[in-house]
Amino acid sequence: ETGVTQTPRHLVMGMTNKKSLKCEQHLGHNAMYWYKQSAKKPLELMFVYNFKEQTENNSVPSRFSPECPNSSHLFLHLHTLQPEDSALYLCASSQDSTSRPANVLTFGAGSRLTVL
Amino acid sequence: AQTVTQSQPEMSVQEAETVTLSCTYDTSESDYYLFWYKQPPSRQMILVIRQEAYKQQNATENRFSVNFQKAAKSFSLKISDSQLGDAAMYFCAYRRWGLDRDDKIIFGKGTRLHILP
Repeated sequence: ETGVTQTPRHLVMGMTNKKSLKCEQHLGHNAMYWYKQSAKKPLELMFVYNFKEQTENNSVPSRFSPECPNSSHLFLHLHTLQPEDSALYLCASSQDSTSRPANVLTFGAGSRLTVL
Repeated sequence: AQTVTQSQPEMSVQEAETVTLSCTYDTSESDYYLFWYKQPPSRQMILVIRQEAYKQQNATENRFSVNFQKAAKSFSLKISDSQLGDAAMYFCAYRRWGLDRDDKIIFGKGTRLHILP
């Protein structure tokens, strides 16, 4: 496989469940991201990992817990979610560098989450 | 704070015609990058085109070109000879150039483009 792969593509969970979203990139990139995409809202950056270290946590509620065991894998652990957390969760990766050109994001196809 | 505004939530264009999607942004920086991403029904965001702010020449990628007006902070996308496969949500995005690892890409709300056969 190539690119950025996300599983599962669809997930339905109750408010008391615990589940995880998985992202894997096969591009040799050193940075990975979680974005939340809700209807009629801009993409919201949730977490950024550079070289496996979390460098951004955009005031995300603690019911979302990221994990980056290595530079190729990224997880988003979910527990006690709310119905308003229903959204498309997109994973992305990039090769972060201080040299031009700009770091371009490569996205996965997303995980559609529905919280009942 | 930087912002990206796409004022057209939806647009339609006849197949084979040309359409222009608008984007404006606000920043106090002088060195940055602008992007157009496409999100088809398959949901995977794909980079369409990229523009470096320090370059005066407008970027082009086959049927896709941009009109970059730095002073006006405008970055429109022109799609020529529209095809059915161009139907998608299009996002304009901005990223500051810098050495700070925390620099992040800021997206607009998107424009849904319909292609009419």
